[in-house]
Amino acid sequence: GAGVSQSPRYKVAKRGQDVALRCDPISGHVSLFWYQQALGQGPEFLTYFQNEAQLDKSGLPSDRFFAERPEGSVSTLKIQRTQQEDSAVYLCASSLAGRWSSQETQYFGPGTRLLVL
Amino acid sequence: GESVGLHLPTLSVQEGDNSIINCAYSNSASDYFIWYKQESGKGPQFIIDIRSNMDKRQGQRVTVLLNKTVKHLSLQIAATQPGDSAVYFCAENNRGGKLIFGQGTELSVKP
Repeated sequence: GAGVSQSPRYKVAKRGQDVALRCDPISGHVSLFWYQQALGQGPEFLTYFQNEAQLDKSGLPSDRFFAERPEGSVSTLKIQRTQQEDSAVYLCASSLAGRWSSQETQYFGPGTRLLVL
Repeated sequence: GESVGLHLPTLSVQEGDNSIINCAYSNSASDYFIWYKQESGKGPQFIIDIRSNMDKRQGQRVTVLLNKTVKHLSLQIAATQPGDSAVYFCAENNRGGKLIFGQGTELSVKP
């Protein structure tokens, strides 16, 4: 497909479990972003990659959150020892530009809905 | 701190009427603004953007207005249709690449 894809679309985890969320950006897009969206709120920035380099991880809420993009395309967001407050929609976005301060449009995937019980 | 907020959390309009969704931002250094539409269970969908060197930009049935003096952004939708029903977010890119989103306005179109 031509858009950003994410998997799984839904994930239910027991508190304390580790989860891994996958993002496939638009082919050729250099920049990749992860956002967290709580119910009824706007998305909040988590982390940013330019190719395989993680240039900003200032939005990651704790050291339980880890993201990687080893080959500069697919990215994985991992959450260790999940807590109930981690329940949210996790959105991935990509943009063509490779400049951190670019004004390029970010295109979003459908998100992964994570529910931690 | 930085924030992007919306004046009204919900907006209900009649089909065929024009809709106006407002947004305030606080970072005067921001140079790029985007409106996204988000339907239930989906990710945000790009609608229209505007750079800080512009006051107005038009798309298909949508217009974005930027007033830098009062740090205000608005989205106008002409001839609103039932398919326009969704939550609309304004987002700000303050030269750092990451987007800062407002809370969102839910638009409901009555047939």
